[in-house]
Amino acid sequence: SQQGEEDPQALSIQEGENATMNCSYKTSINNLQWYRQNSGRGLVHLILIRSNEREKHSGRLRVTLDTSKKSSSLLITASRAADTASYFCASLAGGTSYGKLTFGQGTILTVHP
Amino acid sequence: SQTIHQWPATLVQPVGSPLSLECTVEGTSNPNLYWYRQAAGRGLQLLFYSVGIGQISSEVPQNLSASRPQDRQFILSSKKLLLSDSGFYLCAWNEQHYGYTFGSGTRLTVV
Repeated sequence: SQQGEEDPQALSIQEGENATMNCSYKTSINNLQWYRQNSGRGLVHLILIRSNEREKHSGRLRVTLDTSKKSSSLLITASRAADTASYFCASLAGGTSYGKLTFGQGTILTVHP
Repeated sequence: SQTIHQWPATLVQPVGSPLSLECTVEGTSNPNLYWYRQAAGRGLQLLFYSVGIGQISSEVPQNLSASRPQDRQFILSSKKLLLSDSGFYLCAWNEQHYGYTFGSGTRLTVV
């Protein structure tokens, strides 16, 4: 079952604006990951944040993790039309999980030129 | 470098026909392998995972089965497809500290 919930379900912004997507999860985690999916394609790994980290940056991406609230956010700064895609969070449970990820329902981001 | 191959890209099959989707990984050994299904471009549901040759774990009851005949080969099968088996199927392998690498997916339409 999908334990992750993401909001908003859809986000429409203008080029140059920032985009923020949120994700919540239910169980304790080892790490949380964010993925991007262009329409009809496979998912691409963007960034991974461990349970003992609070913030991580990669280029124009900034991820935060609040384990007390069981939530994470992905910020894309200075968005571009090419950032248009679906974005998914995925959590890796603590303990013996065999690397199984639980995905959220995703946020559809549209960046208008 | 590690790569993952998944085929076919699209498939249209009649109800009741068999199915075989193949996934192979290169550049790594003894990977954890996963089959996910995605409905309507939304969240992914884990179907099967494998931590080694011949070791298959099923996450949800369903009409599908999986096999791992070789270390870097993962196959998703069905003896008789149902309409509800339609969807986007994704294979992935796991590199523990760096997240999943996904294949390009197979769009299956059962008619």
